[in-house]
Amino acid sequence: AQSVTQLGSHVSVSEGALVLLRCNYSSSVPPYLFWYVQYPNQGLQLLLKYTTGATLVKGINGFEAEFKKSETSFHLTKPSAHMSDAAEYFCAVSADRGSTLGRLYFGRGTQLTVWP
Amino acid sequence: SAVISQKPSRDICQRGTSLTIQCQVDSQVTMMFWYRQQPGQSLTLIATANQGSEATYESGFVIDKFPISRPNLTFSTLTVSNMSPEDSSIYLCSARTGRNTYNEQFFGPGTRLTVL
Repeated sequence: AQSVTQLGSHVSVSEGALVLLRCNYSSSVPPYLFWYVQYPNQGLQLLLKYTTGATLVKGINGFEAEFKKSETSFHLTKPSAHMSDAAEYFCAVSADRGSTLGRLYFGRGTQLTVWP
Repeated sequence: SAVISQKPSRDICQRGTSLTIQCQVDSQVTMMFWYRQQPGQSLTLIATANQGSEATYESGFVIDKFPISRPNLTFSTLTVSNMSPEDSSIYLCSARTGRNTYNEQFFGPGTRLTVL
């Protein structure tokens, strides 16, 4: 079975500070990993994903994440937070590799607040 | 990419009634999904809707309560039947353009349902 744990339901940072959102997963096979962002009253938008190859993945809006197999982690970072980064962030895993009926398993989400 | 719209965006309904939520995608997609999102909870997959076949429901969700239609490659509906206050939630439609789970899933803005 697959599962995702996001440590910290709320994270607050000052504008310009480092953003670190934590995600750990469990999977019986090498996973595909995703980070989504949800702004108020909007649907989820893909930030970045890891499928294969380079373990450091760069996404939109200056975010990046690193797949660490030994730690079963896929933490999301951004060097300098901006007010517009305030949103809810979801980590997701899919371990149904090659399956057309594969599904995503989501974490509970982390609400990011950015203080001026 | 795919842009997804949902109708209605929100509704307040009486106990015992039913509501049908419409999901329209601006391009043909292979897979469509319906999720439920409750505050502080991860996204919960209700069912996967394939065009021309019965929807595949996740554990805890049944067709009598959440009938789904997928008449073509760009449209799906989810009905929440015989509603109770426990059905109050945000319902999200999602679609995947490719057959593989590493393909991006796109999300609609959601339908916020309140049952009195």
